Amino acid sequence: AQTVTQSQPEMSVQEAETVTLSCTYDTSESDYYLFWYKQPPSRQMILVIRQEAYKQQNATENRFSVNFQKAAKSFSLKISDSQLGDAAMYFCAYRTRIMNNDMRFGAGTRLTVKP
Amino acid sequence: DAMVIQNPRYQVTQFGKPVTLSCSQTLNHNVMYWYQQKSSQAPKLLFHYYDKDFNNEADTPDNFQSRRPNTSFCFLDIRSPGLGDAAMYLCATSGPGTGGGETQYFGPGTRLLVL
Repeated sequence: AQTVTQSQPEMSVQEAETVTLSCTYDTSESDYYLFWYKQPPSRQMILVIRQEAYKQQNATENRFSVNFQKAAKSFSLKISDSQLGDAAMYFCAYRTRIMNNDMRFGAGTRLTVKP
Repeated sequence: DAMVIQNPRYQVTQFGKPVTLSCSQTLNHNVMYWYQQKSSQAPKLLFHYYDKDFNNEADTPDNFQSRRPNTSFCFLDIRSPGLGDAAMYLCATSGPGTGGGETQYFGPGTRLLVL
């Protein structure tokens, strides 16, 4: 079974600094998707960034970028120029290409941004 | 804007009293999901609909049922809520044409309190 591990329950960063959130996963599949979702307190879960496993190039969305290491099964999220609005719970998620129900979430990392 | 809507945002029910949570979407996605999320935990998939086909997770209690009368709406019925069912319930959708079909889009959630 596929599992997703986020080893950092909590992280903090100073405003305007850079922070990296870690995620590793376990799978025997070769074709899959990886996601980072952001869930602010009492607010909606939104997609931050998505990576397709067959693409070697790391995904980037404005201040958010990933370091995707397929062989190591690692998928870290880098947030540059951190803002107060980045404070949230961040979930790493995995799903296979084939099945619609096979979305696996990590336990989450709570990010605090200090002014 | 196309979106996933959940009503109500907060629901209070009594122990053992049936309750129904609602989800609607304007994304015209063919897949709809229900997740249970307890405090500071990852979302846990309860079941999903692929079009009209219902897919139940093996460990979802029988106390939880779902209905999807049409593409836009999906309901979560809890027949006899227990104290342990107090949680945030998230609805999500996915479908072709938006995000490649593999990305799930979440509603704001309904927080259920069982007295």
